[in-house]
Order: sequence, then structure tokens, then C-alpha cells
Amino acid sequence: GDSVTQMEGPVTLSEEAFLTINCTYTATGYPSLFWYVQYPGEGLQLLLKATKADDKGSNKGFEATYRKETTSFHLEKGSVQVSDSAVYFCALSRNKLTFGTGTQLKVEL
Amino acid sequence: GAVVSQHPSWVICKSGTSVKIECRSLDFQATTMFWYRQFPKQSLMLMATSNEGSKATYEQGVEKDKFLINHASLTLSTLTVTSAHPEDSSFYICSKPWDAANYGYTFGSGTRLTVV
Repeated sequence: GDSVTQMEGPVTLSEEAFLTINCTYTATGYPSLFWYVQYPGEGLQLLLKATKADDKGSNKGFEATYRKETTSFHLEKGSVQVSDSAVYFCALSRNKLTFGTGTQLKVEL
Repeated sequence: GAVVSQHPSWVICKSGTSVKIECRSLDFQATTMFWYRQFPKQSLMLMATSNEGSKATYEQGVEKDKFLINHASLTLSTLTVTSAHPEDSSFYICSKPWDAANYGYTFGSGTRLTVV
């Protein structure tokens, strides 16, 4: 069946550091791929998405590229801020959403 | 985007008791609500899909009699964990589609259930 694997956290970075959170998937066909973010005490929010191979999703300085050849959708940000501290979930969708385990990001001053 | 209010945000209950979790759609109607569960260090797993006015659809391996879902109105869906046991301790979260064509889903803030 479909599955999503993402790196375990927590990831702790200093402000302005470069962020990469790895995500790989297993699925038949061509799923859509997503990154969701959950800030403390809030629900999951869609951060970005890509619906076909080589698409790049971007939002709030975050980017991820749909790589079919490596079945990956790694999340990157060039310069993180304290306000980016949250849990990030990679997910794919065919007929339902399948999530990764989530990666907690802590950004310190 | 749409707004979903979920409560309680956390609950502790004794083994053998039942716990009800509510998800309310605060802006527009929700004919469908998804219920997920997340164990520590594991993925959010879809448990069931509730549909207003009809029976919920449960994922394989989810006990219907243990996890009762009611979607009696267009603004409220509830999940009741019946005869809870410590192994039911988990994080439960609801979600509704608000723009399914563009993969828009709104999530509640989740409920942390601890059964002692």
C-alpha cells in the first residue's frame, strides 16, 4: 500500500540556518504530494503541494520538488526563523491522504 | 480556509469508561469528516470517514463498535471511544474537505487521549 517516510525529529536549528526535512514515498501511479505544518495548539495547515512530477511547491519561503525518479519530496527553507518551530508532515494523496510520522522542528535564537 | 473546532484538546479517563470527541464546522456545512489517529512516533492513520445522515465508513482493522462515529448534523461529527483501554491512548484528529478539487482539507487541533 501507499506509505510516506520522513526523517525523525526533533530537528533543532539556529535562526537563519538552512533547513532540509527529507520525505520519500511509496505509491503506485502518480499521487499528489503535500507538506502540512502544525503549530503548537493548532490544527494541521497545508503548507505547499505538488500534483505532478517535477512540480515545485512553495510557500512562506519553503520549497519542495516532486522527484519521481527518487520518489522524494524534500522540504527546504534557506533561512529559518523562530516562528517556523512546528511539526511538519509529509503526505501523499490518491483516494485519501497518507501521512508520514511528522518531524518536529525547533528553531532557537 | 475553513475552520474546524475540535474538543476536548486533551482528556484523561479511566479504563472501561467512554470518551466523546467533538468536531464542529464553524463556517460552512461539512457533509464529510475524516477521523485520524496518531500513535507516538507513527503516522496519522485514517480511521474512518463520517457522512452526514448515513453510516460512517471505517478503514480496515478499525473496530466499528469501539469507535462510534455520529454525524447527525451538517456542523457536528463526534467520535466516541467506548470502553476505553490504555492501548487506546493516542492523538485523535478530525479533518474536513473544503476544496477537495484542489486538495484543500481543514484539520482540527486534535485531542490527546490518555487512558489510565
